[in-house]
Amino acid sequence: ILNVEQSPQSLHVQEGDSTNFTCSFPSSNFYALHWYRWETAKSPEALFVMTLNGDEKKKGRISATLNTKEGYSYLYIKGSQPEDSATYLCASYNNNDMRFGAGTRLTVKP
Amino acid sequence: DTEVTQTPKHLVMGMTNKKSLKCEQHMGHRAMYWYKQKAKKPPELMFVYSYEKLSINESVPSRFSPECPNSSLLNLHLHALQPEDSALYLCASSSGPGQGQYEQYFGPGTRLTVT
Repeated sequence: ILNVEQSPQSLHVQEGDSTNFTCSFPSSNFYALHWYRWETAKSPEALFVMTLNGDEKKKGRISATLNTKEGYSYLYIKGSQPEDSATYLCASYNNNDMRFGAGTRLTVKP
Repeated sequence: DTEVTQTPKHLVMGMTNKKSLKCEQHMGHRAMYWYKQKAKKPPELMFVYSYEKLSINESVPSRFSPECPNSSLLNLHLHALQPEDSALYLCASSSGPGQGQYEQYFGPGTRLTVT
């Protein structure tokens, strides 16, 4: 069974704070790790796709790292803004099967 | 055009009805996906079409029947559903199927309620 776990489930931060959350995934037969940002009433939006151990990707104030040997990825947001409030989903592609985590719900207070 | 559209936005149907969900993209993507998401749960992959052929069927009950009439369209035909099938149904596409290395573009979903 392919389990993808995300923590924490929810997070409340103040505007300007930096924050990070975790995605853990099975390391066997791993091929790719996806991060998506999902705002309420909108479509999930792709942030990053990473495949190689040690990969680091950055988009503006958001960055992500990947450790395929131990099966975890971190997503970092620097200087959080209210518009960063959303659910952040990760998904792991292992052995021709893609599984999502339940997401981390981030609320940034002005 | 980087949009995936889904119709209808909301659907209420009885257990004896037959209905269809539609998904469309004009990005030239060759892989399309159906996901089911129950409240506060992760999206669950149902079907994957690669080059208009069904490549992955995640043991979904036969009351859900996918169809890919052409590379831009993906349908999900619904028949004799159960109340527990009520969920948000998401469609997505990616430029290639591969081994998951392509980001997926999602539609806004169809909120289905089975009464």
